[in-house]
Amino acid sequence: EAQVTQNPRYLITVTGKKLTVTCSQNMNHEYMSWYRQDPGLGLRQIYYSMNVEVTDKGDVPEGYKVSRKEKRNFPLILESPSPNQTSLYFCASSWGIQETQYFGPGTRLLVL
Amino acid sequence: GQNIDQPTEMTATEGAIVQINCTYQTSGFNGLFWYQQHAGEAPTFLSYNVLDGLEEKGRFSSFLSRSKGYSYLLLKELQMKDSASYLCAPRGVTGGGNKLTFGTGTQLKVEL
Repeated sequence: EAQVTQNPRYLITVTGKKLTVTCSQNMNHEYMSWYRQDPGLGLRQIYYSMNVEVTDKGDVPEGYKVSRKEKRNFPLILESPSPNQTSLYFCASSWGIQETQYFGPGTRLLVL
Repeated sequence: GQNIDQPTEMTATEGAIVQINCTYQTSGFNGLFWYQQHAGEAPTFLSYNVLDGLEEKGRFSSFLSRSKGYSYLLLKELQMKDSASYLCAPRGVTGGGNKLTFGTGTQLKVEL
């Protein structure tokens, strides 16, 4: 089944404790992206990747890192999480930047 | 930059027709997506318009007027399961290339 998977789905952590949210897709998509969704603000892009080893900042990259060592995986790293990073995070992938994006199930993060 | 305006909430009756409007301002317009998102779930693709006119797909249709910066999503024969948020997402061109920006969504409530 074609899908985008994220882990973990739910995470409660404390300020400053490094964490990684994994994202994997099995559709051989070149383009992958991370979004956060907050009430009243909609989906905002954090980082995106056009292909392996090619990443770039989205609208709200501060406090986040990404890497794209393999085509299928695009982990989101929070080196030192803060409470303002409490949010619902979505990973998405598509064949290219012009194509329809398919979203993962989301990761709900709470930073205390 | 990109500005997107869509109503925050709408209510409609089961079996009826509802039209969700979206106006946008974007640099280098290059297509517009509509996504459906149920509470706590991932957005799912509904439609894509790049040329002016109406695109019909079953109970859902989407219209685009590029000169007016305007799109609407038309839902016919409403069902209770259509209660969800509907996201308008125009794609434009920025210094970094193509960019997809999501509106904050229209929360549709379908009542008996």
